[in-house]
Amino acid sequence: SQTIHQWPATLVQPVGSPLSLECTVEGTSNPNLYWYRQAAGRGLQLLFYSVGIGQISSEVPQNLSASRPQDRQFILSSKKLLLSDSGFYLCAWSTWASNQPQHFGDGTRLSIL
Amino acid sequence: SQELEQSPQSLIVQEGKNLTINCTSSKTLYGLYWYKQKYGEGLIFLMMLQKGGEEKSHEKITAKLDEKKQQSSLHITASQPSHAGIYLCGADIMNTGFQKLVFGTGTRLLVSP
Repeated sequence: SQTIHQWPATLVQPVGSPLSLECTVEGTSNPNLYWYRQAAGRGLQLLFYSVGIGQISSEVPQNLSASRPQDRQFILSSKKLLLSDSGFYLCAWSTWASNQPQHFGDGTRLSIL
Repeated sequence: SQELEQSPQSLIVQEGKNLTINCTSSKTLYGLYWYKQKYGEGLIFLMMLQKGGEEKSHEKITAKLDEKKQQSSLHITASQPSHAGIYLCGADIMNTGFQKLVFGTGTRLLVSP
């Protein structure tokens, strides 16, 4: 069966520090991968999605970037964190086929001080 | 403004009572997901609807997509404490094959004994 892992579960970082959140999927090949941010009162917002290695689509302009160095690995990064980057970050995957549900990881709660 | 409106925002029901949560869009819902989230955790996939008039059930939860494909409802029969959580609807409103989803802000459900 397929599983998705996200780490760390929680992270407290100072403003201006770098960020690296990692997500890996097991039990499937060539998945679509997604990064979302969930902010209070605003629902889930799609940040990035990827349909293959090295292929990243950015949905909103922001202080973050994403990379997919391996088929089942998706990384969310920032060079300098802002206070507004605080939130709950969720990684998700779906099969490459269309019209299939997305399955989510347990999330990373990021607090910026 | 939110592309998907969920109502109510929060709901407290007595155990054993029925309840309905609504998800409404001004745009066509090419596909609609319902998820459940416990605070601080990832999203658990409940059901996916694609066709106008479609209805699906799982245990005591039933989801429907209206004929016009602009509104979905989630109905829980004989609620239990285990149903408590945040219910989120997510939808493909751009006909991307479920690759790009927008989400509602969620409905927080509490079930009192």
